[in-house]
Amino acid sequence: DAKTTQPTSMDCAEGRAANLPCNHSTISGNEYVYWYRQIHSQGPQYIIHGLKNNETNEMASLIITEDRKSSTLILPHATLRDTAVYYCIVRAHNQGGKLIFGQGTELSVKP
Amino acid sequence: EAQVTQNPRYLITVTGKKLTVTCSQNMNHEYMSWYRQDPGLGLRQIYYSMNVEVTDKGDVPEGYKVSRKEKRNFPLILESPSPNQTSLYFCASRGAGYGYTFGSGTRLTVV
Repeated sequence: DAKTTQPTSMDCAEGRAANLPCNHSTISGNEYVYWYRQIHSQGPQYIIHGLKNNETNEMASLIITEDRKSSTLILPHATLRDTAVYYCIVRAHNQGGKLIFGQGTELSVKP
Repeated sequence: EAQVTQNPRYLITVTGKKLTVTCSQNMNHEYMSWYRQDPGLGLRQIYYSMNVEVTDKGDVPEGYKVSRKEKRNFPLILESPSPNQTSLYFCASRGAGYGYTFGSGTRLTVV
């Protein structure tokens, strides 16, 4: 699995967009970028994933650079309930099952 | 509701007393996995199963057993628990959609 690098922590004002960066400079051509979040000791929650095109769902948007060496998760209108640790993970679909979690980014949404 | 259910949520036990943490999913997923989460070490995979009767070791399998007799259940067995197995445990499953669904967690304390 490619190694990912994320900032340890970030703050965001409630109602504003939260932009969480992730570097994955050694990503392989068949590896997808996944984002999960974990709200205070709850089970990690899947947010979104993508290969090379930008993706959007009801929770967030994922922007992947053209060279695929970095990506940004965007929460368009952050709420207090979005306070969590966000994990960026890269893996191939056919490589078995393991997710390798790094330390993630602790996002604090403040009123 | 599609979910992964773990039981119990909290457990305090004594060293050497065998215990089982149950995990059940209602999504007909083939892949299931167990993780433990410890401060400073993040989430680490213990065991995983690609399908019924197929299990394999993850990164930290020592002291644990699993079984997969039917698709929906994947129990984690600690034959002789020790204090270093005090941790927060998560079960996860994955189907064809590539996103993982995690349970709510089991906080185990071994004294």
